[in-house]
Amino acid sequence: QKEVEQDPGPLSVPEGAIVSLNCTYSNSAFQYFMWYRQYSRKGPELLMYTYSSGNKEDGRFTAQVDKSSKYISLFIRDSQPSDSATYLCASALSGSARQLTFGSGTQLTVLP
Amino acid sequence: DAGVIQSPRHEVTEMGQEVTLRCKPISGHNSLFWYRQTMMRGLELLIYFNNNVPIDDSGMPEDRFSAKMPNASFSTLKIQPSEPRDSAVYFCASSYWDGNEKLFFGSGTQLSVL
Repeated sequence: QKEVEQDPGPLSVPEGAIVSLNCTYSNSAFQYFMWYRQYSRKGPELLMYTYSSGNKEDGRFTAQVDKSSKYISLFIRDSQPSDSATYLCASALSGSARQLTFGSGTQLTVLP
Repeated sequence: DAGVIQSPRHEVTEMGQEVTLRCKPISGHNSLFWYRQTMMRGLELLIYFNNNVPIDDSGMPEDRFSAKMPNASFSTLKIQPSEPRDSAVYFCASSYWDGNEKLFFGSGTQLSVL
């Protein structure tokens, strides 16, 4: 079993829809949780990060962590075609990047 | 800043040939990472340098893989000899600390070994 599991999709939604992307993790000691966005033929870029449980909001994006169920979510409000990308969740024991465990990514397409 | 710069963007080679991938990290970042991304295995950490010193190479799949960082602005990942199963996208990333360590990835090298 992978430490971080993610539904690969693909997921297609109409422009303006609310998107929910989800991951589960198995290591209850994970404390840091991140979402990366990867456009086609580009490297991943950090989108959101949270420490421990709770919500974090940044514009149209909300990251949510539920440590009791080991569930990580990313919500995108008012989705735009420019949000079309692969979204990778990642978790770590500490803030050190070398400990990051990545999910396999969910491919999202927002249709105009 | 131009970000993390990788070259070449694409590499097509024949089995048995030597392949060298190059990376220039963001100036001022003192850690550098090499990752490999495939559909089957996702993003895997191969090796990690801190202040030009290899710290953890436990992700390097075989002795055919080697990495160097001769100075703070340059790193290479070499595969010799290459095999078809090495075909993947190889990413270099550099990082800085801001409460936690933030990674900045290059655009990757798409490697195809025929």
